[in-house]
Amino acid sequence: GAVVSQHPSWVICKSGTSVKIECRSLDFQATTMFWYRQFPKQSLMLMATSNEGSKATYEQGVEKDKFLINHASLTLSTLTVTSAHPEDSSFYICSARGGASSPLHFGNGTRLTVT
Amino acid sequence: KQEVTQIPAALSVPEGENLVLNCSFTDSAIYNLQWFRQDPGKGLTSLLLIQSSQREQTSGRLNASLDKSSGRSTLYIAASQPGDSATYLCAVSSTGNQFYFGTGTSLTVIP
Repeated sequence: GAVVSQHPSWVICKSGTSVKIECRSLDFQATTMFWYRQFPKQSLMLMATSNEGSKATYEQGVEKDKFLINHASLTLSTLTVTSAHPEDSSFYICSARGGASSPLHFGNGTRLTVT
Repeated sequence: KQEVTQIPAALSVPEGENLVLNCSFTDSAIYNLQWFRQDPGKGLTSLLLIQSSQREQTSGRLNASLDKSSGRSTLYIAASQPGDSATYLCAVSSTGNQFYFGTGTSLTVIP
């Protein structure tokens, strides 16, 4: 089945630093990738939608200058949390799919802890 | 805006029992609906995808049904096993691009 690889699986960083999270579709071309944030015992909150070669579409309330998304190829999207603060600590998950009628496949998530 | 509700929020059943998880959505004009499971601290694993033109999908012990007119989907799990313990999420796509997730049902199967 389709596989989405997300890296790193966990990261601890100091306040004020930036962290990059990678999301790769390993066996299919992902025309669209999505980035989510999940708080403990809550469902997924969509942060942004990225289409290959174009700017990401951010959900209301998500700071695009803080959460930089790049979807440079059909198999790779990156989320960079800039100038991280403790309140950015969360579980970040990416998903990808090949087309509108294709299933959505998820990475295993990245646990970010900002100290 | 599409709203997705899952009932119950938590469910505990003895091993071997058949069970049904419910998902309801407010806007019946959907593109497709997908069921996932999520294990603690992990991403989501796709279980079943139902296109808007379909009524049900089956995979092994899992059967998902879709009734667009009533805004409902059910996930039926036959002969539950302890390994089925996880949180089950349904996601509804209205345009094929944006997905709306329910809050999930936390399932515990007791050996």
